[in-house]
Amino acid sequence: EDQVTQSPEALRLQEGESSSLNCSYTVSGLRGLFWYRQDPGKGPEFLFTLYSAGEEKEKERLKATLTKKESFLHITAPKPEDSATYLCAVQGNSGYSTLTFGKGTMLLVSP
Amino acid sequence: DSGVTQTPKHLITATGQRVTLRCSPRSGDLSVYWYQQSLDQGLQFLIQYYNGEERAKGNILERFSAQQFPDLHSELNLSSLELGDSALYFCASSVDPLNSYEQYFGPGTRLTVT
Repeated sequence: EDQVTQSPEALRLQEGESSSLNCSYTVSGLRGLFWYRQDPGKGPEFLFTLYSAGEEKEKERLKATLTKKESFLHITAPKPEDSATYLCAVQGNSGYSTLTFGKGTMLLVSP
Repeated sequence: DSGVTQTPKHLITATGQRVTLRCSPRSGDLSVYWYQQSLDQGLQFLIQYYNGEERAKGNILERFSAQQFPDLHSELNLSSLELGDSALYFCASSVDPLNSYEQYFGPGTRLTVT
């Protein structure tokens, strides 16, 4: 059974204070690892897909990296508008495999 | 805006009742997924359809059912509702479920069972 654990559960940063969110996973053959951003009461918004260890992707202040056991979402010089819950999900190799989500990290960036 | 639409946005109903949630996928997407999100459980996969056929089942209760129609829209039917069914229900769509394509989520339907 695929499993995803995200840490920390919540993170409070000052504007401009860089940090990283962690996503640890176990999966029977990784087909893809996905990062989403979710604002309160809204649907998850797709950010990145990572396919293999060593891969990195960037979007504005966000950078996602992948190893064989975990992924990190680095947030550089965050702004208050980066406040949201960040979700990590994995897709394994078994048939029509679906996404298994972690419970997310709630990020609050104060001005 | 992801291109996935869901109706209604909010639904308030009583225990024992039945409701239907509707989803229209992004243009060109053939696969539809349903998820339930509650505060303590996070996003839980319920069921997946691809081009009208059921492809995968997750933690979907027997009281719940879904279908995908020829025009690719999907409906999730929830019956004999209980207080614990109160949650956000999301629909997502993707191009091809076999490959590692990202899923795009709709805005959700908030179901409150009283």
